Amino acid sequence: GESVGLHLPTLSVQEGDNSIINCAYSNSASDYFIWYKQESGKGPQFIIDIRSNMDKRQGQRVTVLLNKTVKHLSLQIAATQPGDSAVYFCAENPLSGTSYGKLTFGQGTILTVHP
Amino acid sequence: DSGVTQTPKHLITATGQRVTLRCSPRSGDLSVYWYQQSLDQGLQFLIQYYNGEERAKGNILERFSAQQFPDLHSELNLSSLELGDSALYFCASSVGGGTGQSPLHFGNGTRLTVT
Repeated sequence: GESVGLHLPTLSVQEGDNSIINCAYSNSASDYFIWYKQESGKGPQFIIDIRSNMDKRQGQRVTVLLNKTVKHLSLQIAATQPGDSAVYFCAENPLSGTSYGKLTFGQGTILTVHP
Repeated sequence: DSGVTQTPKHLITATGQRVTLRCSPRSGDLSVYWYQQSLDQGLQFLIQYYNGEERAKGNILERFSAQQFPDLHSELNLSSLELGDSALYFCASSVGGGTGQSPLHFGNGTRLTVT
């Protein structure tokens, strides 16, 4: 079925290290992908997005990479800080099929940054 | 702060009751989305409204309904509540009518507890 999966991984890093969070998606019709960060007690916060006509996009301390061949998305966080500790979700927007227009979220990755 | 406001923050009610959750989108955003987040299901899309009209429907139960008013605020009505309806309910908004055009910005949610 159509899904964006993160398989509930947990990532622990030391402050100052770079973090890489991965996401596999199954809907080849998806055209738009977004990364969100969710801290305890808050709603998902937009981090960065990328369209399928791009392979890479950079923001402030974050980079998103898209590999359409293997349907893989990653979020790289440079110089990770304790404030980056949160659950990270990838989301996809399919442009066809029964899921058209419905942003679908993965299950999330828990990032823990140790001082 | 995403600019999306949700009230109330917490809601505790009994089975069989009906509740209304309210959402004010970011200024200028025409689309409102409702998502449910539970531990076992993750973030699930419920429904989207664009400029007062229903635009897309997800896994929304028949006991649930929503509407978007002329001032663009939205309400999600949950009736005949069951224990399994306990979850976080998020509202999000975006500028455009489709999720492939611009990112969704989320409020901090309403935590519903059904006892």
